Amino acid sequence: DTEVTQTPKHLVMGMTNKKSLKCEQHMGHRAMYWYKQKAKKPPELMFVYSYEKLSINESVPSRFSPECPNSSLLNLHLHALQPEDSALYLCASSHSRVEEKLFFGSGTQLSVL
Amino acid sequence: AQKVTQAQTEISVVEKEDVTLDCVYETRDTTYYLFWYKQPPSGELVFLIRRNSFDEQNEISGRYSWNFQKSTSSFNFTITASQVVDSAVYFCALSVYNQGGKLIFGQGTELSVKP
Repeated sequence: DTEVTQTPKHLVMGMTNKKSLKCEQHMGHRAMYWYKQKAKKPPELMFVYSYEKLSINESVPSRFSPECPNSSLLNLHLHALQPEDSALYLCASSHSRVEEKLFFGSGTQLSVL
Repeated sequence: AQKVTQAQTEISVVEKEDVTLDCVYETRDTTYYLFWYKQPPSGELVFLIRRNSFDEQNEISGRYSWNFQKSTSSFNFTITASQVVDSAVYFCALSVYNQGGKLIFGQGTELSVKP
């Protein structure tokens, strides 16, 4: 199994809603990532988890809250988002967080109304 | 600081043509890694290749080939005999050793292969 699975594929939410994005991998990878990608732009790193501990937070606003319950799961909790947060949110994993190729999921397309 | 430049925003070719996607990178570190990823319309980024800074050997994989030249800080990607299925956005990316695996992406090149 070489897949990174993300759910949901699409999400529409209001600015007062609370929602969560989910990411799962069963490749035994110990590093997991959240990236944000706006249309026609490259992905931008948000968070990195290494061995279930948050190792990188790229100054992401607190309305985005990551969680890594175990080595296979990564969540992104969303609260009080703004319309400019609408984007494709990509999850990725790698064997370790150093120089390894990343396996990406197909993303969650988020629209904030 | 590190930077990746993909000067070609969009390229359009006709099937069976060869096409080269350019990538120029900047870093002062001596140990670094270069990548190419493909992003088809479905959204997920697909890994194509990784090269470390000590390995300048060019690589060929089927119709794909990569030319790494440290002297010009370039890591170009050529598709030979392009096919419609090659239509996608291609990203070149740089990772520097001991920065936690953070990938610095170029702006991407959108390749359109027409039948």
